[in-house]
Amino acid sequence: QQPVQSPQAVILREGEDAVINCSSSKALYSVHWYRQKHGEAPVFLMILLKGGEQKGHEKISASFNEKKQQSSLYLTASQLSYSGTYFCGTERDQNRDDKIIFGKGTRLHILP
Amino acid sequence: NAGVMQNPRHLVRRRGQEARLRCSPMKGHSHVYWYRQLPEEGLKFMVYLQKENIIDESGMPKERFSAEFPKEGPSILRIQQVVRGDSAAYFCASSRGPGQGYNEQFFGPGTRLTVL
Repeated sequence: QQPVQSPQAVILREGEDAVINCSSSKALYSVHWYRQKHGEAPVFLMILLKGGEQKGHEKISASFNEKKQQSSLYLTASQLSYSGTYFCGTERDQNRDDKIIFGKGTRLHILP
Repeated sequence: NAGVMQNPRHLVRRRGQEARLRCSPMKGHSHVYWYRQLPEEGLKFMVYLQKENIIDESGMPKERFSAEFPKEGPSILRIQQVVRGDSAAYFCASSRGPGQGYNEQFFGPGTRLTVL
């Protein structure tokens, strides 16, 4: 089941804040966030595990509501370098060999 | 400290030819994933492999596409008798695998396949 991301696209001015949401209809073990710039490979940003552990980028924060199967990525005081497409990926079960399913992405464009 | 390596970076094939895409995972990673991405679209899961074992190939087309990850050497995604619709960027990612704590994936630079 592909997670649903919202919004599909965001345009901000440098210094503004953004929130990108990711929701799933299935119970989740983890949520992964990646950023992809045009013509480049996706780059790992953050992973959030069921139970509260997380690992990731110093300047980007995220939350994971296990009961609602939702995650949000918070981009504060956005910089021009934050432009790109953000993907969330969901993993259902730690102990099974389960693939990560990615959402369709949220395009973020930062204006100077 | 090499990351995930993919080659070739660009591949041009004529309709009906075969395309072979290679992926070497990061050191210490035993799981490999292949994704296809069309311009301005998301990452579509194709196949998930461990060495000498296909774990999940639910995203692979039933015909013309195959993948392997041998005991020695890189993972290979093979597309036989390519058609124009196969033109896309193909990304490989690797991870340590589930049950290893954090299971973040690291992506290679991709192979951009163009079918003429």
